[in-house]
Amino acid sequence: QKEVEQNSGPLSVPEGAIASLNCTYSDRGSQSFFWYRQYSGKSPELIMSIYSNGDKEDGRFTAQLNKASQYVSLLIRDSQPSDSATYLCAVRLYQAGTALIFGKGTTLSVSS
Amino acid sequence: DTAVSQTPKYLVTQMGNDKSIKCEQNLGHDTMYWYKQDSKKFLKIMFSYNNKELIINETVPNRFSPKSPDKAHLNLHINSLELGDSAVYFCASRTETGRETQYFGPGTRLLVL
Repeated sequence: QKEVEQNSGPLSVPEGAIASLNCTYSDRGSQSFFWYRQYSGKSPELIMSIYSNGDKEDGRFTAQLNKASQYVSLLIRDSQPSDSATYLCAVRLYQAGTALIFGKGTTLSVSS
Repeated sequence: DTAVSQTPKYLVTQMGNDKSIKCEQNLGHDTMYWYKQDSKKFLKIMFSYNNKELIINETVPNRFSPKSPDKAHLNLHINSLELGDSAVYFCASRTETGRETQYFGPGTRLLVL
């Protein structure tokens, strides 16, 4: 059973703080890793993708991947109330076609 | 310009009915998907389809069937609807070359009474 695990939260941080979201996956064959953001009642929106070990930065967002530990994380610097949403970790398994396996999501709440 | 569109946005129906949800993408993508998001917000793949193959998640009941009249459309047909089918269904698409980004449609909220 291929699984992606996330803490459901809610994760509450004050405005301006760093929010840290974590994800682990079970299949070592996983090749591509994604973070999607989903606002309530809306569709998932890709915010970061990462394919190799290390860090990838895009604006206030940094994705970190450690394949040996089967761990991927998302850091949000200078958190804003508009970042309040559910963050979905997703993994692509090449042997399963191109579909994504999602975690159950972490709800982030940023208070002003 | 809508990239991935779905109709209807909301669907309320009785148990036992047959219904279809339509999906269209104008991105020229090669692969399309159907995902189901349950009441606990868990998003699970149901089908992936391109012009070469259909991959079905083995946990999906055979009451669900995807139908693709052309490359830009992947419709979802559901027979004999059950209460447990109530969920939000998302269509998504992706190109086979370049970036792996999957673009999601706005979702269809299905309620089976």
